[in-house]
Amino acid sequence: KAGVTQTPRYLIKTRGQQVTLSCSPISGHRSVSWYQQTPGQGLQFLFEYFSETQRNKGNFPGRFSGRQFSNSRSEMNVSTLELGDSALYLCASSQSASNYGYTFGSGTRLTVV
Amino acid sequence: AQSVSQHNHHVILSEAASLELGCNYSYGGTVNLFWYVQYPGQHLQLLLKYFSGDPLVKGIKGFEAEFIKSKFSFNLRKPSVQWSDTAEYFCAVKGDSNYQLIWGAGTKLIIKP
Repeated sequence: KAGVTQTPRYLIKTRGQQVTLSCSPISGHRSVSWYQQTPGQGLQFLFEYFSETQRNKGNFPGRFSGRQFSNSRSEMNVSTLELGDSALYLCASSQSASNYGYTFGSGTRLTVV
Repeated sequence: AQSVSQHNHHVILSEAASLELGCNYSYGGTVNLFWYVQYPGQHLQLLLKYFSGDPLVKGIKGFEAEFIKSKFSFNLRKPSVQWSDTAEYFCAVKGDSNYQLIWGAGTKLIIKP
């Protein structure tokens, strides 16, 4: 079955712009989590969605937001981009609320210039 | 607050050497424990996970990990590494009081052929 699909793979944006990243989970997976990965900070949790509800949010400013649709696809949005937002954004999906064997996508590499 | 510590940021071994990567966490309750691997240019993949039962967990590609509750540890082992094991390895922990995974900073493993 298809894996977790993240689009786009690469993105270059200018400071101050906004960006929307997309994640399609594995079919049947209802839980989607987003992470920011940087060389200095490692993997930082952004938020998790289950059945269109945000269940948990990491310690990121309000410029970072997300949502989940009824088909479990998820989007995350970053407004007023800063240079420090340059990172690999990873999406992970899981079958249920209690199963944490997440499957990760390849990520979206965001570069802010 | 929960935290995960991976003591070695870089490990260099020769092929056929034995491997042990340390992972310690701080959380007093019930935990689910994971090791993920990220091969160069690839996405994160689940190596193994511990939810309950036998504290010695076997994963893919000959890896295993032992959960020692009294030491709050979940060290990853492999008796004989191969050049193809060159990758970054992440330990992650989920406590029973929240929904997110807490990640270690990762260990970059380089296997010399």
